[in-house]
Amino acid sequence: QLRLQESGPGLGKPSETLSLTCTVSGDSIRSGTSFWGWIRQPPGRGLEWIGSIYYSGSTDYNPSLMSRVTMSVDTSKNEFSLKLSSVTAADTATYYCARHEIVGGTFDYWGQGTLVTVSS
Amino acid sequence: SSELTQDPAVSVALGQTVRITCQGDSLRSYSANWYQQKPGQAPILVIYAKNSRPSGTPDRFSGSSSGNTASLTITGTQAEDEADYYCNSRDTSGYPVVFGGGTRLTVL
Repeated sequence: QLRLQESGPGLGKPSETLSLTCTVSGDSIRSGTSFWGWIRQPPGRGLEWIGSIYYSGSTDYNPSLMSRVTMSVDTSKNEFSLKLSSVTAADTATYYCARHEIVGGTFDYWGQGTLVTVSS
Repeated sequence: SSELTQDPAVSVALGQTVRITCQGDSLRSYSANWYQQKPGQAPILVIYAKNSRPSGTPDRFSGSSSGNTASLTITGTQAEDEADYYCNSRDTSGYPVVFGGGTRLTVL
């Protein structure tokens, strides 16, 4: 059974860089044609796709966040990461990692999510 | 970016049938996927590629599509189906992925 688990600080200050990691277990991050994605959800609001990465390092980012997003992958640890720079209170959200099947745009396995609060 | 539009809230009587819709230009080219999210939990995929169910999705859930509108139908709605439902698809613009705003389903 594929499992994803987010980790990282739950609190950040404005203007800092948010860093999160997603550890994948139950399958290799290199297997198949899957991308690996990040989605966020501000409190009480809907889902927003942040970006996705292939095990080779190829990335696709939400254009509205592209200038602040960097994603990377570490196949030796079977994990991928998100960095979001210059955060503000508007970046306060639950951040989910998920497996992203690019062909259908489907996110078929999700982590449990981690709440990140940006506050001074 | 393209958008997917969903009704914010829908209600249904226990045991009845409910349809949740999702509208957007991207749906003319790409199939919709549907996710169920209960309070405090991560979303789970319930329908993909318009009308395919992952293992574990009850067969009372079905999907359909016509033109720019995709629908999620729950036949014989159960109390445990009360949740937020989100659609998503690939996109025809520069956004590879787009999500709808979500529909809160209340089971009466």
